[in-house]
Amino acid sequence: GQNIDQPTEMTATEGAIVQINCTYQTSGFNGLFWYQQHAGEAPTFLSYNVLDGLEEKGRFSSFLSRSKGYSYLLLKELQMKDSASYLCAVVDSNYQLIWGAGTKLIIKP
Amino acid sequence: GAVVSQHPSWVICKSGTSVKIECRSLDFQATTMFWYRQFPKQSLMLMATSNEGSKATYEQGVEKDKFLINHASLTLSTLTVTSAHPEDSSFYICSARAGGDYNEQFFGPGTRLTVL
Repeated sequence: GQNIDQPTEMTATEGAIVQINCTYQTSGFNGLFWYQQHAGEAPTFLSYNVLDGLEEKGRFSSFLSRSKGYSYLLLKELQMKDSASYLCAVVDSNYQLIWGAGTKLIIKP
Repeated sequence: GAVVSQHPSWVICKSGTSVKIECRSLDFQATTMFWYRQFPKQSLMLMATSNEGSKATYEQGVEKDKFLINHASLTLSTLTVTSAHPEDSSFYICSARAGGDYNEQFFGPGTRLTVL
């Protein structure tokens, strides 16, 4: 079966750095997305990785290792507004999105 | 970026009534639209995939006669929850994708349905 694993919840301090991991086992791979979702709102796009390596975009970076079935989202200089759920989603061989359950990130002052 | 709208943003209805939710791609043509349902503190659950001009493909466990999906044009898909019950109360989100190869899914803002 297809499976996406990410931690349920993480806590970090304002101004710090946090890394949210995602491991996946899917039938085929055509890329991995990270989305941010605030409570009561729809997900918003953060990043897309299809090749191995690190993609940096401002305070957010995303890393992918296809051989290990592993990705992480790195958030730097954390702000209170970064408190949200972070969803990892993999595009499988049928070009369907397989969603992780999301990681709830709590930022403390 | 591409914009997807949903209407209504929230709806409260009585048990047994039907509710229609619209999903529109405002500045691009969406060959494929997806309907998701999300219960509190849970991840997105794909309900169905709809391609313009053809019948929707429903995920296992989703009743196609209860959740009617129509994708009549390249910019509009509708989800009708028929004979809604309190257990159908949820956050319904649509997304749209353009093109044959995989592209980013653009999400609508979601519709919160409460069935009394």
